Amino acid sequence: NAGVTQTPKFRILKIGQSMTLQCTQDMNHNYMYWYRQDPGMGLKLIYYSVGAGITDKGEVPNGYNVSRSTTEDFPLRLELAAPSQTSVYFCASTPRGGGTDTQYFGPGTRLTVL
Amino acid sequence: AQTVTQSQPEMSVQEAETVTLSCTYDTSESDYYLFWYKQPPSRQMILVIRQEAYKQQNATENRFSVNFQKAAKSFSLKISDSQLGDAAMYFCAYRSATGSGNTGKLIFGQGTTLQVKP
Repeated sequence: NAGVTQTPKFRILKIGQSMTLQCTQDMNHNYMYWYRQDPGMGLKLIYYSVGAGITDKGEVPNGYNVSRSTTEDFPLRLELAAPSQTSVYFCASTPRGGGTDTQYFGPGTRLTVL
Repeated sequence: AQTVTQSQPEMSVQEAETVTLSCTYDTSESDYYLFWYKQPPSRQMILVIRQEAYKQQNATENRFSVNFQKAAKSFSLKISDSQLGDAAMYFCAYRSATGSGNTGKLIFGQGTTLQVKP
């Protein structure tokens, strides 16, 4: 199993550009999450999904969109990139979201908006 | 809303010694989970230890143990026999376990950077 994979690893965007951060998991997990980590800070939840076709906002959703057409994939879309979106983005997944389920994290995408 | 606070931005420990990282949280829920994650320079988030709030016994994982004080809403991590490989940023995290909060969302503290001196 590859676990949770994210592409790209690094990206530099110009202000106003758009991009999609890809996230794929091969563990057949129902629950998936996108977090952002600003320098020296903890992770904050952007969006999450409890299954294919179901998504919901987290703590910091502004400027982002998500979709979940399959169990495996949970892409994060940035429209009109802004310097405030410079961050490291982590995708994570977990089987059911409750109980003692562990959340598995991808390696992260470092995004810089100039 | 739940919050998690780590009041120590940086800590250092001598190799082979013991260090304790602090975490406090605020919640009105009675059932929840608490976690400590390690983030080395590679950025990979690694689960260190987990505590279920309904369990009074403190969780332990080899050299890592917690001191869970539910009434005080405190959840500290103790690292014994510190090793150079323990150097990393450590995050405390909270997850609800009840009703509509059971979406698996994690709420993180700000992190504590641990330096291990040889």
